[in-house]
Amino acid sequence: DAKTTQPNSMESNEEEPVHLPCNHSTISGTDYIHWYRQLPSQGPEYVIHGLTSNVNNRMASLAIAEDRKSSTLILHRATLRDAAVYYCILRLNAGKSTFGDGTTLTVKP
Amino acid sequence: EAGVAQSPRYKIIEKRQSVAFWCNPISGHATLYWYQQILGQGPKLLIQFQNNGVVDDSQLPKDRFSAERLKGVDSTLKIQPAKLEDSAVYLCASSWGEGRTDTQYFGPGTRLTVL
Repeated sequence: DAKTTQPNSMESNEEEPVHLPCNHSTISGTDYIHWYRQLPSQGPEYVIHGLTSNVNNRMASLAIAEDRKSSTLILHRATLRDAAVYYCILRLNAGKSTFGDGTTLTVKP
Repeated sequence: EAGVAQSPRYKIIEKRQSVAFWCNPISGHATLYWYQQILGQGPKLLIQFQNNGVVDDSQLPKDRFSAERLKGVDSTLKIQPAKLEDSAVYLCASSWGEGRTDTQYFGPGTRLTVL
């Protein structure tokens, strides 16, 4: 399975931007990059996904490197409610995808 | 729209006992997933259904775990007999299909403690 690599943990101050990196050097040309986050005691929730171009939605932005071997999830202004585990996964054909252990984001007031 | 429903939310059993979890996916979603999430780790896929057929069960411990999705809607996951290492949160998710852009919607999970 295609794998992703993320830092175990990151810290941010409230109201500041956060850049969460993800490496996926074995990505193939048709794999989509998805980001999910998991708040404490909840199931993961979808954040954003993309293929080649940068993507924006109401929750976040996704910046994808030109060679697609890495991507960055950008939270423009972190709030305390953004404290969660963030997962970067590759979504292959037939719905296959593998979650790693994610990045635990701590937001300090 | 209603989200993915799971029950029970919590379950405590002793080792060697049996347990079953139930999942009701979002209406119309053809693909259903069961994940196991051990504390401190990311979710691990146990089984994936497309309608009522199994697409991937390569990581399902088939000697003790079983799952079914009757009529392509609700699903149950059973463990028989349970071991201590089965203590985890069991997450159910669903999506419209198996496409690379299809979003998975997760339920709240069932926290299983095996004593």
